[in-house]
Amino acid sequence: GAGVSQSPSNKVTEKGKDVELRCDPISGHTALYWYRQSLGQGLEFLIYFQGNSAPDKSGLPSDRFSAERTGGSVSTLTIQRTQQEDSAVYLCASSLGGSSNTEAFFGQGTRLTVV
Amino acid sequence: AQKVTQAQTEISVVEKEDVTLDCVYETRDTTYYLFWYKQPPSGELVFLIRRNSFDEQNEISGRYSWNFQKSTSSFNFTITASQVVDSAVYFCALTSNNAGNMLTFGGGTRLMVKP
Repeated sequence: GAGVSQSPSNKVTEKGKDVELRCDPISGHTALYWYRQSLGQGLEFLIYFQGNSAPDKSGLPSDRFSAERTGGSVSTLTIQRTQQEDSAVYLCASSLGGSSNTEAFFGQGTRLTVV
Repeated sequence: AQKVTQAQTEISVVEKEDVTLDCVYETRDTTYYLFWYKQPPSGELVFLIRRNSFDEQNEISGRYSWNFQKSTSSFNFTITASQVVDSAVYFCALTSNNAGNMLTFGGGTRLMVKP
């Protein structure tokens, strides 16, 4: 596709359930990022993948959060045993490379609501 | 640690007014990159501009202009003759090679342009 695609666009889940969020980056982009945007707040970095390098997981808020990127393309963010404070918009972005001066292109996000 | 501060959480103007969105940043790196993104109601972050730390030349793109001042660590964004379609949340962001290409975002400024 032309842009970063995320699915689902909306997800409502019960507290304690696991959820998987999907991100399809722009073809050819080697870098992929996940961010979280809580209501009324800025964007919080979660995890960064660059090529075949080990991902930078420094932003993951707890061990309930994990992410993988298969084949250097599609990525899934998994949240286990969801809590109400996990409710947020989860944004995925990709960029051409790891160089800081290439802009990141963002998807429209997945709005997660934990009830 | 890197930090981006957008002191204005919300600005309201009447169409055709000029408006400036402030951004102040902190970093210990000498090479860094600054960005502005627009987030319309649809939720997708739209890239507007990227500047590197060695280029302090101001930039104009149509009704948009950016003023980069290293002396005050500021990267302000001005919209001239604002339009209703400019209504959105605007984020300033910072990254550097030492930051692992992770974008550090400000809290965002919600701009409302009234007809």
